[in-house]
Amino acid sequence: AQSVAQPEDQVNVAEGNPLTVKCTYSVSGNPYLFWYVQYPNRGLQFLLKYITGDNLVKGSYGFEAEFNKSQTSFHLKKPSALVSDSALYFCAVRDIGNAGNMLTFGGGTRLMVKP
Amino acid sequence: SQTIHQWPATLVQPVGSPLSLECTVEGTSNPNLYWYRQAAGRGLQLLFYSVGIGQISSEVPQNLSASRPQDRQFILSSKKLLLSDSGFYLCAWSVNAGGYGYTFGSGTRLTVV
Repeated sequence: AQSVAQPEDQVNVAEGNPLTVKCTYSVSGNPYLFWYVQYPNRGLQFLLKYITGDNLVKGSYGFEAEFNKSQTSFHLKKPSALVSDSALYFCAVRDIGNAGNMLTFGGGTRLMVKP
Repeated sequence: SQTIHQWPATLVQPVGSPLSLECTVEGTSNPNLYWYRQAAGRGLQLLFYSVGIGQISSEVPQNLSASRPQDRQFILSSKKLLLSDSGFYLCAWSVNAGGYGYTFGSGTRLTVV
């Protein structure tokens, strides 16, 4: 079975400060990992993914995430937050051995960036 | 390029009325298709998924049903809506291979009154 946890319902950060949104996962094999962002009344938009290779993945809008196999984590980061980054963020995982390509999503973390 | 269309964007329906939400995908063939519901801007609840025409898997027993009459068309239906059916409904598609994620539609805000 595969699962993913986002331990924080909300993260508050001041504009210009670095931000981190946490994600931990559990899979029986090796993971594919994803981050999505959702703005109000919109669908989820893809930010970045880890498939293989470099543990530091760079994505859209200046976001990056670091795959840490020993800690089973895939935290989303950005060096300098913008007010426009305020949104709902979802982490998702798929076990490479999952033939059905089903993703399991975390419960979401609301990011609030204050000016 | 592949695109996903979901409509309508918003819908207000009375309790007991029927429902039909449609989702279509262009630019790909034999996609996996998914219906999710999101309550109060929080987590995603997987309702149905389909790996092929006429193949529907239900994740949660409820007042809703899904159908896939064509390869790239996925329909969410209800015969009689309940107040608890209100929410934000999202359709998504994926390829059934490799490290591909999902592509989501723009969503339908359903309010049952």
